[in-house]
Amino acid sequence: EAQVTQNPRYLITVTGKKLTVTCSQNMNHEYMSWYRQDPGLGLRQIYYSMNVEVTDKGDVPEGYKVSRKEKRNFPLILESPSPNQTSLYFCASGRDTGTGYTGELFFGEGSRLTVL
Amino acid sequence: AQTVTQSQPEMSVQEAETVTLSCTYDTSESDYYLFWYKQPPSRQMILVIRQEAYKQQNATENRFSVNFQKAAKSFSLKISDSQLGDAAMYFCAYRSPHYQLIWGAGTKLIIKP
Repeated sequence: EAQVTQNPRYLITVTGKKLTVTCSQNMNHEYMSWYRQDPGLGLRQIYYSMNVEVTDKGDVPEGYKVSRKEKRNFPLILESPSPNQTSLYFCASGRDTGTGYTGELFFGEGSRLTVL
Repeated sequence: AQTVTQSQPEMSVQEAETVTLSCTYDTSESDYYLFWYKQPPSRQMILVIRQEAYKQQNATENRFSVNFQKAAKSFSLKISDSQLGDAAMYFCAYRSPHYQLIWGAGTKLIIKP
């Protein structure tokens, strides 16, 4: 089954304790991305990756890191989480064409993160 | 800067009736993609429909269709024969030529039985 898998689905942590949210896709997509969703703000892009070893900042990258060492995985790292990073996080991978990704995304089920 | 605006925070419709969700966007580009995504209470985002800007014909997927007005930069979603399972947040999104997706704030659709 084609899917994007992210873990953990729920996490409560404390300020400053490093954490990683994993993301894996089995569709051989080149494009992957992380979003955060907050009430009234829609989705905001944190980081994206056009292909392996290539990542770039989205709209709200501060406080986050990513890595793309292999095509299927794109973990999101919070080195020192703060309460303003409490949010719902989504990983997504992008369907590609010969000229690049179309914008059609496949999403994971989301990770609810609470930072106390 | 490119923006996407959904002016209706919430809409409600009687089951089996038709509802239209509005979306406008701002861009100076001529080649782009537009999308409607659905987010049910389960939270997972699901693609509803896609429109390529170079295509004049409006996209259709079963009960879902769009009214794409390129000159007006308008991209509305029409849901016919509304069903209880259509209840969700609906997001309009624009894909720029630089591969970024710009999202609207969403419209909550309520289906009345």
